[in-house]
Amino acid sequence: GDSVTQMEGPVTLSEEAFLTINCTYTATGYPSLFWYVQYPGEGLQLLLKATKADDKGSNKGFEATYRKETTSFHLEKGSVQVSDSAVYFCALLNTDKLIFGTGTRLQVFP
Amino acid sequence: EAGVAQSPRYKIIEKRQSVAFWCNPISGHATLYWYQQILGQGPKLLIQFQNNGVVDDSQLPKDRFSAERLKGVDSTLKIQPAKLEDSAVYLCASSLDYGGKPRGYTFGSGTRLTVV
Repeated sequence: GDSVTQMEGPVTLSEEAFLTINCTYTATGYPSLFWYVQYPGEGLQLLLKATKADDKGSNKGFEATYRKETTSFHLEKGSVQVSDSAVYFCALLNTDKLIFGTGTRLQVFP
Repeated sequence: EAGVAQSPRYKIIEKRQSVAFWCNPISGHATLYWYQQILGQGPKLLIQFQNNGVVDDSQLPKDRFSAERLKGVDSTLKIQPAKLEDSAVYLCASSLDYGGKPRGYTFGSGTRLTVV
């Protein structure tokens, strides 16, 4: 069945460092891909999305490109802030169900 | 626009007790989902409704979990009897479109259940 694999965390960075969180997927057909973020004590929030191959989603300085040839959707940010500390989930939408990865915790220190 | 409302925010119960969670989706959203998020894992779909009908409950442990959406609006998820491994955050989400429109999903803040 469809699945999402994320790199394990935690990812620990200093402020202004470059961030990459890897995500690969397995799916039949042509899924849409998402990154969700969960801040401490809060619900899931959509961070960005891409609906077809080569699309780039972006929001709040984060970017991810839908790479069909490598079945990947890696999350990147050029300069992280302490306020970016959260758990990040990669997800795919095939037919009408969201399937999530296990999440990657990001910790950013001043 | 009001978001997806869930209650309670937190619940602590003893094993073998019963518990119920409530969700009120965004007005007009036909599709409603319940997810279970165990600590350290990604959310897992338990059940999906469209209006008041069940679309997918293949991952719902039906010996102890039940859910309903009687009037096609709000929904309740019940666990009876609870086990220790049911400790998790239960997330409700709603979607405007049935058929996978990617912009439609909105999540509630969740109910954190602790079974002791």
